[in-house]
Amino acid sequence: GAVVSQHPSRVICKSGTSVKIECRSLDFQATTMFWYRQFPKQSLMLMATSNEGSKATYEQGVEKDKFLINHASLTLSTLTVTSAHPEDSSFYICSARDPRRSGETQYFGPGTRLLVL
Amino acid sequence: DAKTTQPTSMDCAEGRAANLPCNHSTISGNEYVYWYRQIHSQGPQYIIHGLKNNETNEMASLIITEDRKSSTLILPHATLRDTAVYYCIVRVAASGTYKYIFGTGTRLKVLA
Repeated sequence: GAVVSQHPSRVICKSGTSVKIECRSLDFQATTMFWYRQFPKQSLMLMATSNEGSKATYEQGVEKDKFLINHASLTLSTLTVTSAHPEDSSFYICSARDPRRSGETQYFGPGTRLLVL
Repeated sequence: DAKTTQPTSMDCAEGRAANLPCNHSTISGNEYVYWYRQIHSQGPQYIIHGLKNNETNEMASLIITEDRKSSTLILPHATLRDTAVYYCIVRVAASGTYKYIFGTGTRLKVLA
C-alpha cells in the first residue's frame, strides 16, 4: 500500500509554544490530505481537510487560527499547533488520499503524540 | 455523524475466522466501503475496500450484501496480532470533496 510518514513521532513542549507536525506522502502525490485528532480511548476526529495550493477546510469547532495547516506541495502538509496548551495534548494523525486507487483510498501516517506541559 | 454502525467489541479464538459486521443502510450507489484497523498508539492501517463485489486480498475478505446495506470483514485465521480496533467507513461528501467520519469501531480481541 501507499506510504505516509509523519514527523515527529512524539513531541513534548511547554505551554504557550508552537509545534509543527509534518505529513508526507512518500510514494505518491496527494492533492488532498486530512488531519485527525484522537484522545485516549476515543475514535479519530477529523479536524481539517488540507488541499494543495489552497486554504484548508476546517471541521466545525476547530479553530483555524490555532491549528494552522499548510499544504505547499503535492507530498507535504504541515499542521502547526499555535500557543499550545495542555488541553491540546493528543494523538495527531494525518492521512493522504491516493488518487491512483479505486475509491481514492486514504492512507494514514503513524501519528504524532503531542504532550503540552 | 458516521454512516456506519458496528458492534462495540468481539472476541475470537486464535486460528479461527473473525467475522466483523458493519451496517451502512444509507450508503449510496457509488460509494465504497472501507475497512481499517488501529493497533494501540498507531495510525489506522488500510485493510480492504469494495463497492459491490466481494473482495479478497492478503489480509482479509470483504463480503458486501447484494443490497449493499451491510458488509462483513473476514480475517480467515485470526492471530494475536490481529487484536485491534476495526473501523468500517463510508465516505461523506462535503464541500466538493469526500471525507471519512470515524465511528467507534469494533474492538476485536483475539484470544490464545
